[in-house]
Amino acid sequence: DAGVTQSPTHLIKTRGQQVTLRCSPKSGHDTVSWYQQALGQGPQFIFQYYEEEERQRGNFPDRFSGHQFPNYSSELNVNALLLGDSALYLCASSFAGTPYYGYTFGSGTRLTVV
Amino acid sequence: KQEVTQIPAALSVPEGENLVLNCSFTDSAIYNLQWFRQDPGKGLTSLLLIQSSQREQTSGRLNASLDKSSGRSTLYIAASQPGDSATYLCAVNAGNMLTFGGGTRLMVKP
Repeated sequence: DAGVTQSPTHLIKTRGQQVTLRCSPKSGHDTVSWYQQALGQGPQFIFQYYEEEERQRGNFPDRFSGHQFPNYSSELNVNALLLGDSALYLCASSFAGTPYYGYTFGSGTRLTVV
Repeated sequence: KQEVTQIPAALSVPEGENLVLNCSFTDSAIYNLQWFRQDPGKGLTSLLLIQSSQREQTSGRLNASLDKSSGRSTLYIAASQPGDSATYLCAVNAGNMLTFGGGTRLMVKP
């Protein structure tokens, strides 16, 4: 049973560029959430996608956007990259039918902005 | 706004010790609380999930308790091993998102 898959593993971008990160949820899960984790800190919630729509959003600027596809996979897009966007980006999947099953996380994408 | 705090921020213990990691949260209206392990530069591995109606959960040498009314959870690790060295994160689920603490960095020395 495949868990949550994220790609790419590592990415280096130049300030001002745009980046797209990808996530495939665990089999049986239909909801995808994205988190940003700066070095030495706990993950911060970016947004959650369900039924191809953004269901909830954290305190992140509009430069951060996302998409969910009919197969439940998801993309995170970040425009006009800043040095401060350097972080580990984590994708988590869950089942929308109940909040009681918990979340499964992927291995993350390490983004470095230079 | 939910806030989650973990104490201590870092812990170094000799192998074999029993230890307790603490997590506190400000809003008791939660569905559940999850404890995760994170190795350096890696993703999160779920250790234990405690529903709001439960008092504790056990998995092997790990035991997590939850006191929702006081906004506290503890993770107990018995007979610690060097392989337990990692960052431990607690996260509360109050709806469509998890709110994380800052983590406890654990080092178990042989």
